[in-house]
Amino acid sequence: DAGVIQSPRHEVTEMGQEVTLRCKPISGHNSLFWYRQTMMRGLELLIYFNNNVPIDDSGMPEDRFSAKMPNASFSTLKIQPSEPRDSAVYFCASSPGGGPGGNEQYFGPGTRLTVT
Amino acid sequence: TQLLEQSPQFLSIQEGENLTVYCNSSSVFSSLQWYRQEPGEGPVLLVTVVTGGEVKKLKRLTFQFGDARKDSSLHITAAQPGDTGLYLCAGAPPPGTYKYIFGTGTRLKVLA
Repeated sequence: DAGVIQSPRHEVTEMGQEVTLRCKPISGHNSLFWYRQTMMRGLELLIYFNNNVPIDDSGMPEDRFSAKMPNASFSTLKIQPSEPRDSAVYFCASSPGGGPGGNEQYFGPGTRLTVT
Repeated sequence: TQLLEQSPQFLSIQEGENLTVYCNSSSVFSSLQWYRQEPGEGPVLLVTVVTGGEVKKLKRLTFQFGDARKDSSLHITAAQPGDTGLYLCAGAPPPGTYKYIFGTGTRLKVLA
């Protein structure tokens, strides 16, 4: 199995530009999570999908952030317009579980975003 | 708000030494996971503990879940440079929610 795939691995953009991060979860997993990691705040959950449906987006910091999951094998996280404070490593994770509980998460390698 | 505090935050030791990392909370968790994250990579699950007092071993790593399921520890015996990384504990989501509660992390460096 290829694991969770994220692209791009690195993104450098200027303030105000639109940024789209992509994720392909592990086949057969029906839960998908988007996280943001910074030194100051650690690992923060942004949004959770179950069976392609957004279940909890309370972690999305602002309206500038949006996420979609058009099918079971693809999800995007978009930031428009981007700001320097959005600079972080963004992780996508998938889980075989279907609901709340202690199901194991499998993380992708992350996208390191730098907004100048 | 549920919080998971890890200690120490940073640890630098010599190869062959033993160490213990702690994960503490005032909240009860149905299960707790430990992850290791290496630079430039995502966290990788090491173990899940479910029962209060449970002890699990993974080669030189020993994980324990507190009796009250509020805390956990990770003990590494005879640390090796390959153990270097960021260790994260994560509490299972509270009932009715989906947010894993991640700890603040312990950054370990093992010197050869």
